Amino acid sequence: QKEVEQNSGPLSVPEGAIASLNCTYSDRVSQSFFWYRQYSGKSPELIMSIYSNGDKEDGRFTAQLNKASQYVSLLIRDSQPSDSATYLCAVNAGNNRKLIWGLGTSLAVNP
Amino acid sequence: SQTIHQWPATLVQPVGSPLSLECTVEGTSNPNLYWYRQAAGRGLQLLFYSVGIGQISSEVPQNLSASRPQDRQFILSSKKLLLSDSGFYLCASAGLAGGLEQFFGPGTRLTVL
Repeated sequence: QKEVEQNSGPLSVPEGAIASLNCTYSDRVSQSFFWYRQYSGKSPELIMSIYSNGDKEDGRFTAQLNKASQYVSLLIRDSQPSDSATYLCAVNAGNNRKLIWGLGTSLAVNP
Repeated sequence: SQTIHQWPATLVQPVGSPLSLECTVEGTSNPNLYWYRQAAGRGLQLLFYSVGIGQISSEVPQNLSASRPQDRQFILSSKKLLLSDSGFYLCASAGLAGGLEQFFGPGTRLTVL
């Protein structure tokens, strides 16, 4: 069964620190990887997508992909209390148009 | 950019009552559409997805059904709700510029009593 695994947390970091969120996946044919942020009681919103090995930066967010090791990570620099949320990792399911979702990592940024 | 509308935002229904949740999409054509359920404190569970009008794939056998009567309209229904149907129902759309990214509507929080 294809799986996406995340540490449920909670991950607690002080304001201004770097938060590191990790995700591993089981399906070697996956080619598309996504990070979503979900605030409590709200719907998920897309933060970043990554398709190639290496780093992809967007503002304070950096996604890192290593297909050989089957992991994808999200770094949040200069963490802010407003970054406190659950972060969901999603991976495309082979050659169809579904995504496989992790259960999410809860992040708390403390002022 | 696309916009996904869902209504109602919240719903409280008695056990055994019917359900109809509607999702409409603006700003894209021929999207792939998805219904998810998220139980309290749990992950996203894919219920149905659709790649076109009248085309529905069911992921989980249960008392729910879905229909896609128009290109940008996706409906989730039940004839008789169960207590276990309570949760946060999310509609998502994908296919903008051919991408796999899914974009979510605001969701409907359903409580079955």
